[in-house]
Amino acid sequence: EVQLVESGGGLVQPGSSLKLSCVASGFTFSSYNMHWIRQAPKKGLEWIALIYYDSSNKYYADSVKGRFTISRDNSKNTLYLEMNSLRSEDTAMYYCAKGGYLLLRPFDYWGQGVMVTVSS
Amino acid sequence: DIQMTQSPASLSASLGETVTIECRASEDIYSNLAWYQQKPGNSPQLLIYDANSLADGVPSRFSGSGSGTQYSLKINSLQSEDVASYFCQQYNNYPFTFGLGTKLEIK
Repeated sequence: EVQLVESGGGLVQPGSSLKLSCVASGFTFSSYNMHWIRQAPKKGLEWIALIYYDSSNKYYADSVKGRFTISRDNSKNTLYLEMNSLRSEDTAMYYCAKGGYLLLRPFDYWGQGVMVTVSS
Repeated sequence: DIQMTQSPASLSASLGETVTIECRASEDIYSNLAWYQQKPGNSPQLLIYDANSLADGVPSRFSGSGSGTQYSLKINSLQSEDVASYFCQQYNNYPFTFGLGTKLEIK
């Protein structure tokens, strides 16, 4: 059974940093592209970052480019999202999601999400 | 970026009815279109991919269709467990983008 379990969320002040983790199980983590997607309270879904299966490429939404960094450790089956210079508009539920072998594939499994609240 | 326009924003229907949700892309996305269901308090789950392929474990009362820029999700014989928000998403180009969602309620 595929499982994705996020952690690391919380309440932080504007301008601060936070690092999210997502531990994967039930599939060969090192073979799949992985994503982070967020959902602001009562809002829609926003894709924010992709990392290739071998970390050779990373893509970001313009809204987080230069502030967020996606990474992975295939030896630990873990995906990360390092978030710097956090703003109030980054307040959201953050989900990790499994992509495909290929680049242009949907998100077939999602974690339960972790809440990040940016407020003074 | 590809804009995804989803309609209606909300929908109320009776048990057993058939409902349809539409999604229009701002350019051709070559059937690289997925539909997700998000029940209250839960994370989204993949329903349909490649515009018309049913994801594993999804009941056959769900179906997807469309091509080019126009896509739709149909739910036959509406059940109480179908109360949820539904999102379309294109994965033809980065950044992947979502529709704003359709909130489905039972009348």
